[in-house]
Amino acid sequence: NAGVTQTPKFQVLKTGQSMTLQCAQDMNHEYMSWYRQDPGMGLRLIHYSVGAGITDQGEVPNGYNVSRSTTEDFPLRLLSAAPSQTSVYFCASSYQGQAITGELFFGEGSRLTVL
Amino acid sequence: AQSVTQLGSHVSVSEGALVLLRCNYSSSVPPYLFWYVQYPNQGLQLLLKYTSAATLVKGINGFEAEFKKSETSFHLTKPSAHMSDAAEYFCAVSDGKLTFGQGTILTVHP
Repeated sequence: NAGVTQTPKFQVLKTGQSMTLQCAQDMNHEYMSWYRQDPGMGLRLIHYSVGAGITDQGEVPNGYNVSRSTTEDFPLRLLSAAPSQTSVYFCASSYQGQAITGELFFGEGSRLTVL
Repeated sequence: AQSVTQLGSHVSVSEGALVLLRCNYSSSVPPYLFWYVQYPNQGLQLLLKYTSAATLVKGINGFEAEFKKSETSFHLTKPSAHMSDAAEYFCAVSDGKLTFGQGTILTVHP
């Protein structure tokens, strides 16, 4: 059972470039989300989805787009990368009820550096 | 709005010593409270959770946490630290959305 899989694990971008961070889960979870982790700031919610075709903004959505065309996949798009987006990104998923209580399953993270 | 404050960004203990990681929360409704652990270069794993069933919650790897409503606290403890406990620990609160604290890095010295 692969759980939550994120790709790539590492990426270096130049300012203004675009890219997509991929997230896939094989647990048939309805809820999927993206967080960014920065030193001393914990994890902050970027976007989340409660099911295919449904997405919503979290705490820090600016500069990021998401879509949810299937239950399994939840890609995060950076439209025009900025140095402030240098961070470690985590995808997390759960069943709907567990999402309300906060029990999430996390991927291993994608470390992004924007020069 | 809910929030979580972890007191101390770094905690250092000797192997075999008591581990105490502090967490205070703010929530307008009875919360769900969590501790997550992140080992180096890995994602977060759920360590334990409070969902109002019992105030003393036991988790994996010998950790436990006590919910104290009067103090709005949910401190994490372990009686005897092991080298393998070295990691970053996050307290989190959920009232429908999960909000994380800033994290506490635990270092264990031999």
